Amino acid sequence: KQEVTQIPAALSVPEGENLVLNCSFTDSAIYNLQWFRQDPGKGLTSLLLIQSSQREQTSGRLNASLDKSSGRSTLYIAASQPGDSATYLCAVIGGSTGGSEKLVFGKGMKLTVNP
Amino acid sequence: EAGVVQSPRYKIIEKKQPVAFWCNPISGHNTLYWYRQNLGQGPELLIRYENEEAVDDSQLPKDRFSAERLKGVDSTLKIQPAELGDSAVYLCASSLGGTGRKTQYFGPGTRLLVL
Repeated sequence: KQEVTQIPAALSVPEGENLVLNCSFTDSAIYNLQWFRQDPGKGLTSLLLIQSSQREQTSGRLNASLDKSSGRSTLYIAASQPGDSATYLCAVIGGSTGGSEKLVFGKGMKLTVNP
Repeated sequence: EAGVVQSPRYKIIEKKQPVAFWCNPISGHNTLYWYRQNLGQGPELLIRYENEEAVDDSQLPKDRFSAERLKGVDSTLKIQPAELGDSAVYLCASSLGGTGRKTQYFGPGTRLLVL
């Protein structure tokens, strides 16, 4: 059964820092990995999607990398801003035991960027 | 382009009462998902529709939960009777294409509190 872990569960940093958010998954036979952002009381917003054949994806100040063989992904946030404060969730689709069409989420990491 | 629409946004009911949630996906998206998100957890898939067919309902507690997607557009998720443990956020998502590997777009969710 695919399991996704995000550590730490929460992070508080001053504005301007470059951040690295970590995600690990137990079954490396994934189709893709997605990073989402969730603001309090809101739904999820897709940030980046990395196909299993890709190593990284970039969007603005965000860069996500994928090392499928080691079961790890990182989300890099450059020059963090207070508006980046939210919960960031990592999710994967696929695995050797099926579930090829189901997103499996981590518990998320709550980020607070202080002005 | 309008996003995924869900209603109601909040619902408070007493245990053993019925409750229903409604979702309108992004126009043209043939795949629709219902997720449940408990506090401090990532979302977990309840059911996935391809057009009007439920293709993955393995995680849906069928003794009390039911769902339908008439005409392959809007969908309704029902709980009857509700239990205290059903308190959670119910998220609807949609995607374009025939697999779950495409980017999923989430609605704002319905926050359910069962007293």
